[in-house]
Amino acid sequence: AQSVAQPEDQVNVAEGNPLTVKCTYSVSGNPYLFWYVQYPNRGLQFLLKYITGDNLVKGSYGFEAEFNKSQTSFHLKKPSALVSDSALYFCAVRDGGATNKLIFGTGTLLAVQP
Amino acid sequence: DSGVTQTPKHLITATGQRVTLRCSPRSGDLSVYWYQQSLDQGLQFLIQYYNGEERAKGNILERFSAQQFPDLHSELNLSSLELGDSALYFCASSVTTEGNTEAFFGQGTRLTVV
Repeated sequence: AQSVAQPEDQVNVAEGNPLTVKCTYSVSGNPYLFWYVQYPNRGLQFLLKYITGDNLVKGSYGFEAEFNKSQTSFHLKKPSALVSDSALYFCAVRDGGATNKLIFGTGTLLAVQP
Repeated sequence: DSGVTQTPKHLITATGQRVTLRCSPRSGDLSVYWYQQSLDQGLQFLIQYYNGEERAKGNILERFSAQQFPDLHSELNLSSLELGDSALYFCASSVTTEGNTEAFFGQGTRLTVV
């Protein structure tokens, strides 16, 4: 079965520093990977996706993610963190098959200190 | 704004009661997913509909049911409510069930069972 893992419950970073939120995946076949962000009392917002092609994917709000097949990772990155980036980040993978539902990781809380 | 509308935003009800959560997908999206988010279980897939037909069931209790209507809006019915059903319920929609398409989430319905 497809799955993703987010090994860190929380990531702390100072404003202006680069940030990385980690995600590893386990899939059979080609992975379709996604990142979503959830701000307090809000729904999940789509950030970016990897389907095929370039291993560096650019998304919304200056975020990007690096797909690494050999390490089965899809880490979310941003060169310079903002306090407003503080939120809960979810990595997800499509399940495959007829439903292709999204399977989410447990989430990583990003806290950016001013 | 994702284009997915969920009503109501908040719901407080007593144990044993029944509630209905409503979701209007983005214009043109045929696939609707329901997810439950709780502190201890994370984001759990409940059920998926595609163009009016049930496509997949996840960890959905027998007390819960859903349907998708001809106009593509969907309702999630929760009955014989228990305290443990308190959670944030999300609806998401996507154009197809293809793996390369992202899903867009509504802002959720926060259900509190007292």
